[in-house]
Amino acid sequence: GAVVSQHPSRVICKSGTSVKIECRSLDFQATTMFWYRQFPKKSLMLMATSNEGSKATYEQGVEKDKFLINHASLTLSTLTVTSAHPEDSSFYICSARDRGVGQFFGPGTRLTVL
Amino acid sequence: SQQGEEDPQALSIQEGENATMNCSYKTSINNLQWYRQNSGRGLVHLILIRSNEREKHSGRLRVTLDTSKKSSSLLITASRAADTASYFCATDVIGGGADGLTFGKGTHLIIQP
Repeated sequence: GAVVSQHPSRVICKSGTSVKIECRSLDFQATTMFWYRQFPKKSLMLMATSNEGSKATYEQGVEKDKFLINHASLTLSTLTVTSAHPEDSSFYICSARDRGVGQFFGPGTRLTVL
Repeated sequence: SQQGEEDPQALSIQEGENATMNCSYKTSINNLQWYRQNSGRGLVHLILIRSNEREKHSGRLRVTLDTSKKSSSLLITASRAADTASYFCATDVIGGGADGLTFGKGTHLIIQP
């Protein structure tokens, strides 16, 4: 099946720093990638939709200047959490969409902001 | 409004028993998907059922979809301890374009050995 990877799997950073998370589709091209956030014991929340070569579409309530998304190629999207604060600590999951067979998720990145 | 509500929120059964989880949603969908998530890990796609399908099987999994009631169920037969995980339903909404899936809060399933 289709594989999506994320890097890093876990990151700890100091408050005020920026953190970049990569999402790659390894064996298929994904014109659309999605970024989700999951709070402890809660469901996933869609943050933004990333289309290759164009600006990301953010969901209501998600700060686009804080969560910078770049979809550089058909296999790579990045999420940069800028000026991170402890309340940004969460589990971030990306997914890549292949319209033929569905949506495939990465393993997630655990971000802890001290 | 919440699209995709699973119930029960938590379910604990003995190994070997069947586990049934339900999902309700509010708007018309293209398809509905079930995912599994082990603690602290990413999601694993289990099964996709399209809006024109009523039932689908995959190994020990059986999914039903009733579009008139806007509900779906996931049945895991002959459960195993390794089935312990959270299970989410996710809907692909009609007219949503390239939008991502909408997830419910999930059912936490515990299989007692």
